[in-house]
Amino acid sequence: AQSVTQLDSQVPVFEEAPVELRCNYSSSVSVYLFWYVQYPNQGLQLLLKYLSGSTLVKGINGFEAEFNKSQTSFHLRKPSVHISDTAEYFCAVSHTGTASKLTFGTGTRLQVTL
Amino acid sequence: NAGVTQTPKFQVLKTGQSMTLQCAQDMNHNSMYWYRQDPGMGLRLIYYSASEGTTDKGEVPNGYNVSRLNKREFSLRLESAAPSQTSVYFCASSEQGKETQYFGPGTRLLVL
Repeated sequence: AQSVTQLDSQVPVFEEAPVELRCNYSSSVSVYLFWYVQYPNQGLQLLLKYLSGSTLVKGINGFEAEFNKSQTSFHLRKPSVHISDTAEYFCAVSHTGTASKLTFGTGTRLQVTL
Repeated sequence: NAGVTQTPKFQVLKTGQSMTLQCAQDMNHNSMYWYRQDPGMGLRLIYYSASEGTTDKGEVPNGYNVSRLNKREFSLRLESAAPSQTSVYFCASSEQGKETQYFGPGTRLLVL
């Protein structure tokens, strides 16, 4: 079985400051990794994904994440956040053998203030 | 393209009532999914359909049934609603064998 841990339920940050949202996973087999964003009262939108290849993945809206196999982590980063980045962020994992079944973390609420 | 659409957007039920949540996608995807989202628990898979004509249980299937009506539509039915089923329900779809899932806007369900 696979699992995802997002240790921070809320992350407050000032506008234009950098941010890192943490994600750790556990799995006995190779995985695909994802970050989804959910804006208030909306569905989930894919930010970025790691399937294979380069461990540094760039996504939409200036976000990037780095896959670290030894630390089983996939932390999300942005060098300078904007008010519009306020949202809930979900890390998710799937097995490479059953690519479409996602297991989600509990989410991190990013609150950007002036 | 509308992507993934869900109806209704909001629903209030009394305990014991039944209802069906509808989901449709216009992306010609083979695979479709139903999730529920609860505070502090992320999204949990209820049922999924890898292709037309097949359905399988996910992590939390109890109290729900699904129907893959055709390639476009995947419905979720609550036969006898319980307060524990108060949640936000999301439908998603993906191309078979592809990793990215596309989500609908959600249905907010309150069971009194």
